Amino acid sequence: DTAVSQTPKYLVTQMGNDKSIKCEQNLGHDTMYWYKQDSKKFLKIMFSYNNKELIINETVPNRFSPKSPDKAHLNLHINSLELGDSAVYFCASSPAGANNEQFFGPGTRLTVL
Amino acid sequence: GENVEQHPSTLSVQEGDSAVIKCTYSDSASNYFPWYKQELGKGPQLIIDIRSNVGEKKDQRIAVTLNKTAKHFSLHITETQPEDSAVYFCAARPYSSASKIIFGSGTRLSIRP
Repeated sequence: DTAVSQTPKYLVTQMGNDKSIKCEQNLGHDTMYWYKQDSKKFLKIMFSYNNKELIINETVPNRFSPKSPDKAHLNLHINSLELGDSAVYFCASSPAGANNEQFFGPGTRLTVL
Repeated sequence: GENVEQHPSTLSVQEGDSAVIKCTYSDSASNYFPWYKQELGKGPQLIIDIRSNVGEKKDQRIAVTLNKTAKHFSLHITETQPEDSAVYFCAARPYSSASKIIFGSGTRLSIRP
């Protein structure tokens, strides 16, 4: 069974469009995350939710809006896509509390043309 | 805030030899240091972690050392095998954040047959 799943795996779209990436975890974890990995493989946290509440919001443009309908889901909606948004986006989850392993999804490769 | 530097960015070793990846961190209060392995087309996966009250930890062919005074930590892989080829990330958890971990820039490890 897939622990952390993301859809779609690939997303190709035009500049200016709005798109969403969905994430679901079946591990029973309380905390979920979105990371962006650029072409140089650098991994940077964007958001973190704990039990549907936003707890980390890095300096991400407000075109990015995470939504957590329940603690098993954390979706990422992106408005007015720009060329610089092209990257691989990873969802992750972990049990509540510090120093716990984060489990990553397979990633969504977003290409903005 | 916390900053994690990782070296080298690429590393090529002969199969059977050892590989060492080094990281430094800036926040002396950081207390959790995980290492993640990312295979091609997949999300990162935790391979080993160490907490600040421990100087060394070993799991089969993988070991991690931590020098809190120097703010250095290292990953050692012995008897390397082809399946060890991947990108490896070190990370540190700032004391100020319960959930956030800061990743290093990654090391692409290649094992030569």
